[in-house]
Amino acid sequence: EIVLTQSPGTLSLSPGERATLSCRASQSVSSSHLVWYQQKPGQAPRLLIYGASKRATGIPDRFSGSGSGTDFTLTISRLEPEDFAVFYCQHYGNSLWTFGPGTKVEIK
Amino acid sequence: QVQLQESGPRLVKPSGTLSLTCDVSGDSISSKNWWNWVRQSPGKGLEWIGEIFHEGNIIYNPSLKTRVTISLDKSKNQFSLTLTSVTAADTAMYFCARDHDHGDSNWAFDFWGQGTMVTVSS
Repeated sequence: EIVLTQSPGTLSLSPGERATLSCRASQSVSSSHLVWYQQKPGQAPRLLIYGASKRATGIPDRFSGSGSGTDFTLTISRLEPEDFAVFYCQHYGNSLWTFGPGTKVEIK
Repeated sequence: QVQLQESGPRLVKPSGTLSLTCDVSGDSISSKNWWNWVRQSPGKGLEWIGEIFHEGNIIYNPSLKTRVTISLDKSKNQFSLTLTSVTAADTAMYFCARDHDHGDSNWAFDFWGQGTMVTVSS
């Protein structure tokens, strides 16, 4: 089973700053099955990035995804007040969807 | 616009059975999408439970496989979750979600229900 590790656990930043979130897989995975979600308190997750780097419909271009193999990154170029939330990476492999533990981006 | 809505009992007794339904609108349950259940314990991360395809293919999380059943009702355009022998550890927000191919086998959960909180308690 592939295990996803996200770092840091919490990121304290100010609006306007750049956020860099990491998702590391325990073994090499297919980029086409690497996904990022944003979840705000009391809400369902929202799809941000699929295929490691493709923005979902309606997602602002300040969100970008990159990476391959075992290391993937979600970057928010300039944080807006509405971006503060928990971010999860997800992967499909060996007939199993797996979520990472999440990174909380909080206001500094 | 695709919409999903979970429904079912909010309180289940220990050792009992949790049953939830997800009503789908704006898409057919018989379309080329997989239909998923995901849960989130209070203050914790997301746990994938399983998914079903309209042709009858079903995949379960191995950690829950012995207790979970996911099924489809095409006549009602809905799918369901049954979890048996529940304990307090099954207390969670339960979400249903659509797993869609965005092209070139780039699958992702693009539409989610709002979630329903289920508590296991006597």
